[in-house]
Amino acid sequence: IAGITQAPTSQILAAGRRMTLRCTQDMRHNAMYWYRQDLGLGLRLIHYSNTAGTTGKGEVPDGYSVSRANTDDFPLTLASAVPSQTSVYFCASSEDERNTEAFFGQGTRLTVV
Amino acid sequence: GQNIDQPTEMTATEGAIVQINCTYQTSGFNGLFWYQQHAGEAPTFLSYNVLDGLEEKGRFSSFLSRSKGYSYLLLKELQMKDSASYLCAPMDSNYQLIWGAGTKLIIKP
Repeated sequence: IAGITQAPTSQILAAGRRMTLRCTQDMRHNAMYWYRQDLGLGLRLIHYSNTAGTTGKGEVPDGYSVSRANTDDFPLTLASAVPSQTSVYFCASSEDERNTEAFFGQGTRLTVV
Repeated sequence: GQNIDQPTEMTATEGAIVQINCTYQTSGFNGLFWYQQHAGEAPTFLSYNVLDGLEEKGRFSSFLSRSKGYSYLLLKELQMKDSASYLCAPMDSNYQLIWGAGTKLIIKP
């Protein structure tokens, strides 16, 4: 079944540890996004990629990095996790970055302790 | 700055009609999306408006007024499964979605 997959589904992480959240899509979408969702706030864009080989910073990029080596994969790395990065992380993709429907992964619930 | 305003929570009765309002201020405008998000799940696309007026899709309709910075989502014949959060998200001049915090809709029998 075509779609977008995130791993892991949930994780408890010690502060200071490095962590990579994985995201893969098989829809051949050009654009991919990483959001975090916190209670009472809207989805906030962390990083995005409009096409393989390019990435950009969103609203809350500090403490996170991404890469887009190919069309399908868009991993998000926390270099040294802090408790304020406790959140639900959603990866999403769309055909392109302009005016098209975004498809979301099931989310990764990350707790930094 | 960019700002989205929608009610935090609404309650409606099964079988009834509910209207969820959204007002927005963005730097430029390239359309507005509505998404549905059930608790613990990912958002899913409901509608997209780029021109003024009403777009109807089954039980759900979405309205846009660009001059007023206003949109609403209309849900008819409410069902229990419609209990969810509804996210308003206009797209700015850089084609970035600006997300509201969402309206939690509670449906009562």
